[in-house]
Amino acid sequence: AQKVTQAQTEISVVEKEDVTLDCVYETRDTTYYLFWYKQPPSGELVFLIRRNSFDEQNEISGRYSWNFQKSTSSFNFTITASQVVDSAVYFCALSEAMNTGFQKLVFGTGTRLLVSP
Amino acid sequence: GAGVSQSPSNKVTEKGKDVELRCDPISGHTALYWYRQSLGQGLEFLIYFQGNSAPDKSGLPSDRFSAERTGGSVSTLTIQRTQQEDSAVYLCASSKRGVTGELFFGEGSRLTVL
Repeated sequence: AQKVTQAQTEISVVEKEDVTLDCVYETRDTTYYLFWYKQPPSGELVFLIRRNSFDEQNEISGRYSWNFQKSTSSFNFTITASQVVDSAVYFCALSEAMNTGFQKLVFGTGTRLLVSP
Repeated sequence: GAGVSQSPSNKVTEKGKDVELRCDPISGHTALYWYRQSLGQGLEFLIYFQGNSAPDKSGLPSDRFSAERTGGSVSTLTIQRTQQEDSAVYLCASSKRGVTGELFFGEGSRLTVL
């Protein structure tokens, strides 16, 4: 069965600090996809990134970066120079490859990030 | 509309009553998902509709839960004889066939069972 573990329930940092959110996954599939979603206080989840299991290149998008390591089954998310607007709950998710072209996601329990001014 | 629309945004009901939650997906999105988010829990998959195919109901927690999708668009999640443990935020998401796998979520329906 697929499983996603986000061991950090809540993280508090001061603005401009760097912060890494951990994500560890379990799957028996050789082809799968990993995701990060952000849930701001308004409640609506927002897609951040999707990686497939064959692409272990790290990705950087502005202040956000993702480190995918198959050897440790981890897909960690780092925010550099955090800002108050980064305060949200962040979810890591895993999806098996479906030949239908659609994704059925298994989510972790989320990490609440609080960035103080 | 531009995004996934859910109604009601808040619902308070008494134990034992039936409730219906509605989801209007993004136009053109053929896949629709229902998830449940309980306090301190992650998002729990409930059911998934893909076009005209039979839905994947593997996540429904009991036979008190059912969902339908009419005309390949609007979906209704029905909870019969509600229990206090049904209290949660029910999230709907939609997606289109493609390589991104991006789900677009609504703001959710918060259900409180007294």
